[in-house]
Amino acid sequence: DQQVKQNSPSLSVQEGRISILNCDYTNSMFDYFLWYKKYPAEGPTFLISISSIKDKNEDGRFTVFLNKSAKHLSLHIVPSQPGDSAVYFCAASAFGNEKLTFGTGTRLTIIP
Amino acid sequence: ETGVTQTPRHLVMGMTNKKSLKCEQHLGHNAMYWYKQSAKKPLELMFVYNFKEQTENNSVPSRFSPECPNSSHLFLHLHTLQPEDSALYLCASSQDRTGGFAGNTIYFGEGSWLTVV
Repeated sequence: DQQVKQNSPSLSVQEGRISILNCDYTNSMFDYFLWYKKYPAEGPTFLISISSIKDKNEDGRFTVFLNKSAKHLSLHIVPSQPGDSAVYFCAASAFGNEKLTFGTGTRLTIIP
Repeated sequence: ETGVTQTPRHLVMGMTNKKSLKCEQHLGHNAMYWYKQSAKKPLELMFVYNFKEQTENNSVPSRFSPECPNSSHLFLHLHTLQPEDSALYLCASSQDRTGGFAGNTIYFGEGSWLTVV
């Protein structure tokens, strides 16, 4: 029973365009959401997070949007750069049970 | 240089072997974690240690035995593994055991690729 789902295993985007990665969750107790980025042969690195009291959080080229009613979050990367090519993991946690639950990841490829 | 280092990076072992994975964090954190990533599956939390004490065992088979001698070091002892245990094993650390929540960022090591033959 996967509580965090990333339904697109891969995504290709032209350099300079917007990349949109999606994540859905089923557990209504989740109230904190994170995105991690992973290059081959490296561990995941934290990218950006959002609390359930917000619907948007921005950090440079990266913006995360949260739609609580739809139990959906998305990561927008604008403009996309070749160095953004990586696997992106969505993760969620609930206050009082801080164990992170991860999605299966989406492989983003930026085409020069 | 990563703040969380894992050795070995690659390990091939037979089903009757005993081996260990080692993790060291240089971040002054108090919590350490083992995660498992199998092909096409989400990262799965295996164990959590906080101030050297195990606070979570996520129903992991006893053929995986963690050891945390201090807040900076974490081991995963492996014994009589099965081929389906082949995976990437990731060590991680955070300031405390609420890692992943409200800014208490979890930092991952580069992982140890384990192949059981």
